Amino acid sequence: EAGVAQSPRYKIIEKRQSVAFWCNPISGHATLYWYQQILGQGPKLLIQFQNNGVVDDSQLPKDRFSAERLKGVDSTLKIQPAKLEDSAVYLCASSLYPVIAGPGGKQFFGPGTRLTVL
Amino acid sequence: AQRVTQPEKLLSVFKGAPVELKCNYSYSGSPELFWYVQYSRQRLQLLLRHISRESIKGFTADLNKGETSFHLKKPFAQEEDSAMYYCALGGSANAGGTSYGKLTFGQGTILTVHP
Repeated sequence: EAGVAQSPRYKIIEKRQSVAFWCNPISGHATLYWYQQILGQGPKLLIQFQNNGVVDDSQLPKDRFSAERLKGVDSTLKIQPAKLEDSAVYLCASSLYPVIAGPGGKQFFGPGTRLTVL
Repeated sequence: AQRVTQPEKLLSVFKGAPVELKCNYSYSGSPELFWYVQYSRQRLQLLLRHISRESIKGFTADLNKGETSFHLKKPFAQEEDSAMYYCALGGSANAGGTSYGKLTFGQGTILTVHP
């Protein structure tokens, strides 16, 4: 089966510019996650969708970050305006269900988008 | 609050030697623990989960609730085990009456197995 797709793979922008990332989850996966991974750290959850609704965005810097998942499939994550500290790899993941324990909760990760803010 | 600590950023062993990657967690509820692995130029992927009590690629991990630890072990390391390993804690949360899981990752340990 096809895995989680993300684009672009790399992006370089200047601070105060805007940027958008796209994610296409595995077909049939209801739950979609966006993680931010800063160099030397583990992934940090930014936002979690269940179908097209947000279930957790407690760690999303809402003054500059936004995300949507129209029609409960693809998702976009936007940063406007970008800051130097936003330089990171942005990972998208999906799972069948939002629960962690069962086999349906296994998260499948995309290749990530590496963002560099100059 | 959920927290995961991996005290070693780097770990080097020789092929055939035993390896142990340490993980400690902090969580007030009943935890679900996982190990994720990222090989060079590959995606982050699930290695094993404590609830399955499985052994994957020779790796095992035992949840010790008394010591709040979930160390990853392998008796004989192989060169192909070289990778970044993340311990992750799955906690439960609620939003609008819906229960969902939330993963918190540690900072990761880079394992290098020398020939």
